[in-house]
Amino acid sequence: AQSVTQLDSQVPVFEEAPVELRCNYSSSVSVYLFWYVQYPNQGLQLLLKYLSGSTLVKGINGFEAEFNKSQTSFHLRKPSVHISDTAEYFCAVEPYNNNDMRFGAGTRLTVKP
Amino acid sequence: KAGVTQTPRYLIKTRGQQVTLSCSPISGHRSVSWYQQTPGQGLQFLFEYFSETQRNKGNFPGRFSGRQFSNSRSEMNVSTLELGDSALYLCASSPDALNEQFFGPGTRLTVL
Repeated sequence: AQSVTQLDSQVPVFEEAPVELRCNYSSSVSVYLFWYVQYPNQGLQLLLKYLSGSTLVKGINGFEAEFNKSQTSFHLRKPSVHISDTAEYFCAVEPYNNNDMRFGAGTRLTVKP
Repeated sequence: KAGVTQTPRYLIKTRGQQVTLSCSPISGHRSVSWYQQTPGQGLQFLFEYFSETQRNKGNFPGRFSGRQFSNSRSEMNVSTLELGDSALYLCASSPDALNEQFFGPGTRLTVL
């Protein structure tokens, strides 16, 4: 089985500051890794995904994440955040052979002016 | 291409009733998965349907069931509703098991 741990439930930052949202996972099988964002009263939107290849993955809205196999981590970063980045962010893993996606508890990113 | 649509968007029911939620996947997508999102338990996988067959199932009681039609549209049913079933129910579709999932806006179910 797979599990995901998002190490911070809330991350407050000031506008234009850098941010890192941390994610660790465990799995007995090979998995794909994802970061999703959820704005209030909306569904999930994919930010980026790691399937294979380069461990540095670039996504939408200026976000990027680095897959670290030895530390089983997939931390999300952005060099300069905007007010509009305020949302809930979810890290997720999915086995290679099915759609049983497991999510972390989420990190609430609040960007202050 | 139209995204994943879910109906209704909001629903209020009372304990003991049953409810059916609907999900229309992106055209061409054959896999539909359902998730429950609550403040206490977060996002939890309910089940996945592929070509009208349940392929995977999460750890939920038998009161939660689903089905998929030949056009890939899916319905989820919850019988004998409990207060704890109040949640946002998200549907996601993908072409098959090896692709990313696209999520709908969800159905907000409130059980009184």
